[in-house]
Amino acid sequence: AQSVTQLGSHVSVSEGALVLLRCNYSSSVPPYLFWYVQYPNQGLQLLLKYTTGATLVKGINGFEAEFKKSETSFHLTKPSAHMSDAAEYFCAVMGTSIQGAQKLVFGQGTRLTINP
Amino acid sequence: DTEVTQTPKHLVMGMTNKKSLKCEQHMGHRAMYWYKQKAKKPPELMFVYSYEKLSINESVPSRFSPECPNSSLLNLHLHALQPEDSALYLCASSRALARAGELFFGEGSRLTVL
Repeated sequence: AQSVTQLGSHVSVSEGALVLLRCNYSSSVPPYLFWYVQYPNQGLQLLLKYTTGATLVKGINGFEAEFKKSETSFHLTKPSAHMSDAAEYFCAVMGTSIQGAQKLVFGQGTRLTINP
Repeated sequence: DTEVTQTPKHLVMGMTNKKSLKCEQHMGHRAMYWYKQKAKKPPELMFVYSYEKLSINESVPSRFSPECPNSSLLNLHLHALQPEDSALYLCASSRALARAGELFFGEGSRLTVL
C-alpha cells in the first residue's frame, strides 16, 4: 500500500530563510505525489504535483519539490520564507481505496511557523 | 475565492438531531468527495461520487448518509451522531475520479455534536 511520512510535525524558520519540508514515500508502483497547503480555518489547496517526467516540479507561491526515486523522497522547498507561508502542509500519494478506486493518502502534516 | 462552496460554515447539533451539510461546485467536475478532519490531523476520506454514483465508501458509519442529487451538488445527511463525530467536514471536487489527486476543496463545515 502507498503511504507518505512527513518528517517533523512542526518547522519554524525566520522570514527570508529557506523553507524545507520533508516527505518520504512508500509505493510499490511509480508514485503520483502531491503537496497541499491548509491555511487556518480553510480547506486545502494544491501546491504542486509530480506524476511523470521532470523530477523538479514548480508550484504556486514560489514553492517547488524534487522527486528523488533513489531516496524515496519528495521534499518541498521555498528559497525565501514569507510571513504568509505560515500554514499546515500535507504531503500526499495516490493510493487505492478498499473498493479499488484511486484515492489520496495524506501524511500527518507539518505546521510551518515563520518568525519575523 | 473558493470555487467549492459549503454550507453551513458552522453547525451545532444534539445527538438526536437530523441535519445536513451541503456542497456545491460549478467547475463541471464529475467527481465529488467528503472528507472528515479532526484537529491537527490530516483529512480522512469518507465518500466519493463519480458521475453522481457512489464510488467509494470508506467504511463510514451509517449515521452519515451521502447524497449526490446532480453533478454540481453533494449533501451529507447526519443523524444520531456522537460527540466524537465533531470535526471539520470538507467537500472537494476533481475533474474526474482519475484525477483524484488534484482536488479543489471548500472551506469546510465545522460540526460540533453535543
